Amino acid sequence: QVQLQESGPGLVKPSETLSLTCTVSGGSISSYYWNWIRQPPGKGLEWIGYIYYSGSTNYNPSLKSRVTISVDTSKNQFSLKLTSVTAADTAVYYCARHVGTTPYAEIVYWGQGTLVTVSS
Amino acid sequence: DIVMTQSPDSLAVSLGERATINCKSSQSVLYSSNNYLTWYQQKPGQPPKLLIYWASTRESGVPDRFSGSGSGTDFTLTISSLQAEDVAVYYCQQYYSTPFTFGPGTKVDIK
Repeated sequence: QVQLQESGPGLVKPSETLSLTCTVSGGSISSYYWNWIRQPPGKGLEWIGYIYYSGSTNYNPSLKSRVTISVDTSKNQFSLKLTSVTAADTAVYYCARHVGTTPYAEIVYWGQGTLVTVSS
Repeated sequence: DIVMTQSPDSLAVSLGERATINCKSSQSVLYSSNNYLTWYQQKPGQPPKLLIYWASTRESGVPDRFSGSGSGTDFTLTISSLQAEDVAVYYCQQYYSTPFTFGPGTKVDIK
């Protein structure tokens, strides 16, 4: 069974860069699309973007200027960087995978999520 | 972007009664006879759990009291007989085009 685990700092200062890593276990990172999704406390879900194992990416235009998603197939990990953060970026960040080898399918695998707070 | 809306924002239903949640997309998510729409259930402190995909296909292991219907731009999630463990927030999501977008959520409680 595929499992995903987010890791990274829980506190980031305003204007700095948020960096998170998702470690995939129970399966290979190859052949799939890997997503980052976030949820501000008490609010709804926002798709940040995805990366294909080959490195191609697709970002939400609302965040595109600040987001970079990268993949390390040797470590079975993919990562998120979000620059110039503000309090509005405070959220639970989830990594997630679609059911199959296309991004146009349901997201069935989710990490437990990690809360990142932006505060000085 | 495809904007997803849901109604109501919240509802309270008696145990054993029916709960109905509506979801509307700003443009059709139907392509080649498939509606690119999912329903998720989220309980506090947990990630979303997939309930329904292709608008009406129940995920393996999901109780059959959950059903999805609709096509094009209008969709419905029905819980036929509400159980205590169904208290949660329910989200619809389209995967027809990027950016993938979610509805704002509907909170379901026990009356």
